[in-house]
Amino acid sequence: GEDVEQSLFLSVREGDSSVINCTYTDSSSTYLYWYKQEPGAGLQLLTYIFSNMDMKQDQRLTVLLNKKDKHLSLRIADTQTGDSAIYFCAERGGDTGRRALTFGSGTRLQVQP
Amino acid sequence: EAGVTQFPSHSVIEKGQTVTLRCDPISGHDNLYWYRRVMGKEIKFLLHFVKESKQDESGMPNNRFLAERTGGTYSTLKVQPAELEDSGVYFCASSLRTSGPNEQFFGPGTRLTVL
Repeated sequence: GEDVEQSLFLSVREGDSSVINCTYTDSSSTYLYWYKQEPGAGLQLLTYIFSNMDMKQDQRLTVLLNKKDKHLSLRIADTQTGDSAIYFCAERGGDTGRRALTFGSGTRLQVQP
Repeated sequence: EAGVTQFPSHSVIEKGQTVTLRCDPISGHDNLYWYRRVMGKEIKFLLHFVKESKQDESGMPNNRFLAERTGGTYSTLKVQPAELEDSGVYFCASSLRTSGPNEQFFGPGTRLTVL
């Protein structure tokens, strides 16, 4: 079955860039997502990328996709203390497949002032 | 516009008891999903409704879990009888479409503790 792996923890200083990595196994994945969960809150969709793209940029967020290696990363530029949260990588199959998302275990980002 | 809401936010029950979780999706969203996160692990899919029909229930762990969405609006997830391993956070999500990026909007979750 599908599997999504993430490192558990990342600590950065305020103002630095953060890079959160994710690997997945399903070669039929068509969409890949990054969600953010702040304490006590639900999952907030940050961004997604279609599998035929290799990069997507949205303000401070840059998503890089290496489809050959099945590797996805999320770069946060100028990381702020408000970026401290758990970040989940998720993937989804094509339109003829399941609509369910397969998530990783989440990466806890700690931003030190 | 109101987001996805879930009730209760927390529930503490004893093993063997019954608990019912409720999810109200975003108005107009035909697609409703249940997920859960157990013991800080990955978030796992439980099932997917399209309106009142179960489109995919492949993630339901066993027959102690029963999900309903009568009328195609809100949904309930009942666990009966609850076991210790059912403890975790249950998330509900809804989406407008199933094609394309299928952006799923999540509720805050219900934290279930089974003692």
